[in-house]
Amino acid sequence: EIVLTQSPGTLSLSPGERATLSCRASQTVSSSYVAWYQQKPGQAPRLLIYGASSRATGIPDRFSGSGSGTDFTLTISRLEPEDFAVFYCQQYGNSPPTFGQGTNLEIK
Amino acid sequence: EVQLVQSGAEVKKPGESLKISCKGSGYSFTSHWIAWVRQMPGKGLEWMGIIYPSDSDTRYSPSFQGQVTISVDKSISTAYLQWTSLKASDTAIYYCARGSAYNYYWGQGTLVTVSS
Repeated sequence: EIVLTQSPGTLSLSPGERATLSCRASQTVSSSYVAWYQQKPGQAPRLLIYGASSRATGIPDRFSGSGSGTDFTLTISRLEPEDFAVFYCQQYGNSPPTFGQGTNLEIK
Repeated sequence: EVQLVQSGAEVKKPGESLKISCKGSGYSFTSHWIAWVRQMPGKGLEWMGIIYPSDSDTRYSPSFQGQVTISVDKSISTAYLQWTSLKASDTAIYYCARGSAYNYYWGQGTLVTVSS
């Protein structure tokens, strides 16, 4: 199965700053089938991005995804206070789907 | 409005059996796969498996094959996750979600605690 490695493990930034989260796959992800989720404490994950770069319904345009092959990135252009959470990447191009271990985005 | 409503928290002893549920509403239940995802305390997300309610086609992650059973009762739009003999290491939050690939709709999660 494909192993996804997210970096950094923790990212400390201030509101208004730009966040760049990385997700690297152990092998090429078919058709860039990568999704990104945000999870806040006590809540279910929320889908942000699918197909590596398509925003899910209702997701603000400050969230963007990019990448192909084995390297994928989630960018939050200007952090809002409500953006701080744990973020997971997921690949669903190869069975079974797998998740990265998460990046904790915390307020500096 | 699409909703996935999961059964409530459970506290069980090692060796006991358990079946938790996920009821879908607001959409055609038989037309969309249901996935189960595990989140152990303080840890990340793990994809367990999926089921297609229309014909009960079921796929498991190798890590969970033989450890759990996923089933469905389409007459009541409900999917299930079942254990025959729980272990302490099964303590986790279990989410159901709609879709076989990425998941837009999620249940609220069911906390399963296994402790002697």
